[in-house]
Amino acid sequence: EDKVVQSPLSLVVHEGDTVTLNCSYEVTNFRSLLWYKQEKKAPTFLFMLTSSGIEKKSGRLSSILDKKELFSILNITATQTGDSAVYLCAHNSGGSNYKLTFGKGTLLTVNP
Amino acid sequence: SAVISQKPSRDICQRGTSLTIQCQVDSQVTMMFWYRQQPGQSLTLIATANQGSEATYESGFVIDKFPISRPNLTFSTLTVSNMSPEDSSIYLCSVEEGGSGTGELFFGEGSRLTVL
Repeated sequence: EDKVVQSPLSLVVHEGDTVTLNCSYEVTNFRSLLWYKQEKKAPTFLFMLTSSGIEKKSGRLSSILDKKELFSILNITATQTGDSAVYLCAHNSGGSNYKLTFGKGTLLTVNP
Repeated sequence: SAVISQKPSRDICQRGTSLTIQCQVDSQVTMMFWYRQQPGQSLTLIATANQGSEATYESGFVIDKFPISRPNLTFSTLTVSNMSPEDSSIYLCSVEEGGSGTGELFFGEGSRLTVL
């Protein structure tokens, strides 16, 4: 059974700090790894990673995948209170139903 | 990206009753996905709904408990039947943009159900 493990489960930082969120996975058939931000109910898409070593970047957020060591990290620099959310990592094993296996998420709290 | 509307946004339900959640997408999509997120847990796929065929359910989920309809390419419903407090969750409808198979899902706003 595919497994996605995120760490830490929660994190409290001050505005301006840089944070690194971790996601490791054990899967039978890798297709892509995705990061989502969940503030209230609906997760919003951040990044999709398919190749090792290629950093995806969007503003202060960036993410990279290591397919050899089976993990990904999400970095947020110069954090703001608006970054407070649950960050979800998910693996897509492909196939006919495009099933995503999600980790439990990391709850990030950014204090002013 | 697709705009997905879900309703109800939230509801409080009595044990033993059933509730139907609606999901409307602003574009035609082949597959729609229903996820559940129990308190403090990750998102779990309930079933995949294809237009014109029966939904495909994941292990641990059955049609009698979670019947799904998919009458056209822009709409689906999920019913949570004979509810118990363990069904208190956020239920999320999602679609895959562009049908690329890469898993870039977009989610509706979710329906938060509380079962008393």
